[in-house]
Amino acid sequence: GQNIDQPTEMTATEGAIVQINCTYQTSGFNGLFWYQQHAGEAPTFLSYNVLDGLEEKGRFSSFLSRSKGYSYLLLKELQMKDSASYLCAVSDSNYQLIWGAGTKLIIKP
Amino acid sequence: GAVVSQHPSRVICKSGTSVKIECRSLDFQATTMFWYRQFPKQSLMLMATSNEGSKATYEQGVEKDKFLINHASLTLSTLTVTSAHPEDSSFYICSARDFARDGNTIYFGEGSWLTVV
Repeated sequence: GQNIDQPTEMTATEGAIVQINCTYQTSGFNGLFWYQQHAGEAPTFLSYNVLDGLEEKGRFSSFLSRSKGYSYLLLKELQMKDSASYLCAVSDSNYQLIWGAGTKLIIKP
Repeated sequence: GAVVSQHPSRVICKSGTSVKIECRSLDFQATTMFWYRQFPKQSLMLMATSNEGSKATYEQGVEKDKFLINHASLTLSTLTVTSAHPEDSSFYICSARDFARDGNTIYFGEGSWLTVV
């Protein structure tokens, strides 16, 4: 079956760095997405990786290793507003999105 | 600004009635839109894939007669929850991909909170 695994919850301190991991097993691969979702709101796009390596975009970076079925989202200089759920999703061979359950990130002052 | 718009953002309806949620792509043509449901503290669940001019493809376990999807134009898809019951109360979100501009980005609507009383 198809499966996306990410931690349920993480806690970090304001100003620090946090890495949210995502491992996947899917039938085919056409890219991996990271989304941020604040409570009660729709997800917003953060990043897309289809080739191995690190993609940097401001305070957020996303890494992909296709051979390991692994990705991480790295958040630097954490701010209180970064408290949210972070969703990992993989586009499979049919371009269907397979969603992880999301990681709730709690930022403490 | 938003490229996919959803309406209404919140709706309360009585049990047994029907409610329609609209999803519009604002500045691109979306041949395919996706409808998701999300219960509190749970992940997004794909309900169906809406294809312009043809029948929607429903995920296993989703009742097509209860959740009617119409994708009559390249910019509008609608989800109608028929004979709604309290267990249908949820957050419904649509999304679309603009393959002409950037097929790698999936745009989400703002979401619609449905409460059935």
